[in-house]
Amino acid sequence: EIVLTQSPATLSVSPGERVTLSCRASQSVSSNLVWYQQRPGQAPRLLIYGASTRATGIPPRFSGSGSGTDFTLTISSLQSEDFAVYYCQQFHNWPPLTFGGGTKVEIK
Amino acid sequence: EEQLVESGGGLVQPGGSLRLSCAASGFPVTSNYVTWVRQAPGKGLEWVSVIYSHGDTYYADSVKGRFTISRDNSKNILYLQMNSLRDDDTAVYYCARVGLGLPRGIYWFYMDVWGQGTTVTVSS
Repeated sequence: EIVLTQSPATLSVSPGERVTLSCRASQSVSSNLVWYQQRPGQAPRLLIYGASTRATGIPPRFSGSGSGTDFTLTISSLQSEDFAVYYCQQFHNWPPLTFGGGTKVEIK
Repeated sequence: EEQLVESGGGLVQPGGSLRLSCAASGFPVTSNYVTWVRQAPGKGLEWVSVIYSHGDTYYADSVKGRFTISRDNSKNILYLQMNSLRDDDTAVYYCARVGLGLPRGIYWFYMDVWGQGTTVTVSS
């Protein structure tokens, strides 16, 4: 089973700041890496798939990069609606599907 | 509009059973993979099960032998039958469609349509 480790667990930032979230896989997942956003009380929302392709309707301030074992989600200028928990997930060697533990982006 | 709506959650005693439903609209469940994902209170996301378009099913080790995923093609509904429930099965259960994209000439999987979730509480 592929283990995904996200860091940091929590990130305190101010609106307008640039944010970089990390996801590391225990073995290569090629580019089969997906990012989701989850706001409190809501279901997860697809942001990025194939490591770097934005899903339909996702604003360009969200970008993904990486391949193999190291991946990054970048939010270029944090908006108020971006304060949420972000999860990475692999579709490389499945089932089982695995998620990272999440990174909470909170207001500083 | 493509949509998933879960139902069937509730309070159940340890060792009990519950059947969750996931009603799909806007797309046929027979043409897609559909998964169940759960989230324990204050915790992260955990994959539970998947049913492929051709009917193959797979489960997380934590639920194997206790949970069964199925579907009613005529009603366009997915089910998750949960037996021998334990305290650590307490969670919000989401169903999600596995979509397929083709950027850069390669197929990529993702979960693009999610239900709102249904809460299962296992407690005496």
